[in-house]
Amino acid sequence: GQNIDQPTEMTATEGAIVQINCTYQTSGFNGLFWYQQHAGEAPTFLSYNVLDGLEEKGRFSSFLSRSKGYSYLLLKELQMKDSASYLCAVTSNDYKLSFGAGTTVTVRA
Amino acid sequence: IAGITQAPTSQILAAGRRMTLRCTQDMRHNAMYWYRQDLGLGLRLIHYSNTAGTTGKGEVPDGYSVSRANTDDFPLTLASAVPSQTSVYFCASSETSGGAGEQFFGPGTRLTVL
Repeated sequence: GQNIDQPTEMTATEGAIVQINCTYQTSGFNGLFWYQQHAGEAPTFLSYNVLDGLEEKGRFSSFLSRSKGYSYLLLKELQMKDSASYLCAVTSNDYKLSFGAGTTVTVRA
Repeated sequence: IAGITQAPTSQILAAGRRMTLRCTQDMRHNAMYWYRQDLGLGLRLIHYSNTAGTTGKGEVPDGYSVSRANTDDFPLTLASAVPSQTSVYFCASSETSGGAGEQFFGPGTRLTVL
């Protein structure tokens, strides 16, 4: 099975930067996803990493180190609308997606 | 384009009753999934289907069954509901079943079993 850990909650100020860490232990590895989920809504795709390194997409970036079983999601220039839960998910050898419990980010003015 | 739709949006159900949650996608995706989401536990996979006519068990399949008669529909049935099945249920689909593809989620069904 998979063991995926991420912080439960984070708080940051509008305009600031927040880094959400995710560590995982998995039987085989075939990629890591980050999803955003606003309260009461469905998760939506943010990023996918399969190779080591940084993937940048506008204000959001995602980093992966396969040797360390570690990823982070970086949110820059925080806006109020970024208040949401951020879900780290890993695909392993069976190609099914396993999710962490999610990190709730609160952006304050 | 609707994407993925789920019905009902919410439901209150007496324990012991049978219930089917509906899921339909119009993207012609091969793979479909059912998850439940509970506070503090994240999304957990119940059942999945890599292509029409095939299904498989996920992490928490007990008490649930699915069918995949065609590409578009993937209903989830609770044969005899129990209070521990109170949860938010999300259906999702992806173009391929290889694990590298983005999954698209439906709006969810909030189910309460009393």
